[in-house]
Amino acid sequence: ETGVTQTPRHLVMGMTNKKSLKCEQHLGHNAMYWYKQSAKKPLELMFVYSLEERVENNSVPSRFSPECPNSSHLFLHLHTLQPEDSALYLCASSPGLGRAAVGEQFFGPGTRLTVL
Amino acid sequence: KQEVTQIPAALSVPEGENLVLNCSFTDSAIYNLQWFRQDPGKGLTSLLLIQSSQREQTSGRLNASLDKSSGRSTLYIAASQPGDSATYLCAVRPSGGSNYKLTFGKGTLLTVNP
Repeated sequence: ETGVTQTPRHLVMGMTNKKSLKCEQHLGHNAMYWYKQSAKKPLELMFVYSLEERVENNSVPSRFSPECPNSSHLFLHLHTLQPEDSALYLCASSPGLGRAAVGEQFFGPGTRLTVL
Repeated sequence: KQEVTQIPAALSVPEGENLVLNCSFTDSAIYNLQWFRQDPGKGLTSLLLIQSSQREQTSGRLNASLDKSSGRSTLYIAASQPGDSATYLCAVRPSGGSNYKLTFGKGTLLTVNP
């Protein structure tokens, strides 16, 4: 068990639905990340939060909306998605973002999202 | 822009064989390099992390080497077992700028046959 949990593990949604992915870390870390993993492509960094402040928005479409209410929880709100958004969405956390603090990133099990 | 390439994309070996997975990166200005394992539909598990000043790291049957100047790393798995079957990912962290940004390769899918 990595100490990073994600719910739900699987999600099927229509293009007009609104849903949210949840991530929780139990490691006392200050930084949290959302990644997208599509078939045949490398992991893509989507968003980064440090102490609940967004520090990275990697040109992600506005139909993905992150929220970080505290350093232990991270959400990804989804609306009006497209079929090409179907992927494995991974959450990760690390001790911090500064050079000495960044440490290793610990990953959750992911949410398998299918958009019909 | 950093690019990470992993060769081969897929590898199938009989149980007990020693094997090598390769990772190359285009920008040698890295802080560290990390090897991960990913089981189907699951998250990533960190296997080994090599700092830029190090040449290799070992954990059990796994040995990872790093040649920063040539932009290469290898993951050596000794006496492979069916339980080693998974996708192995290589990721590099830059030494400057936003050094929390990992650049990943596409991975090598390893199958170890009993």
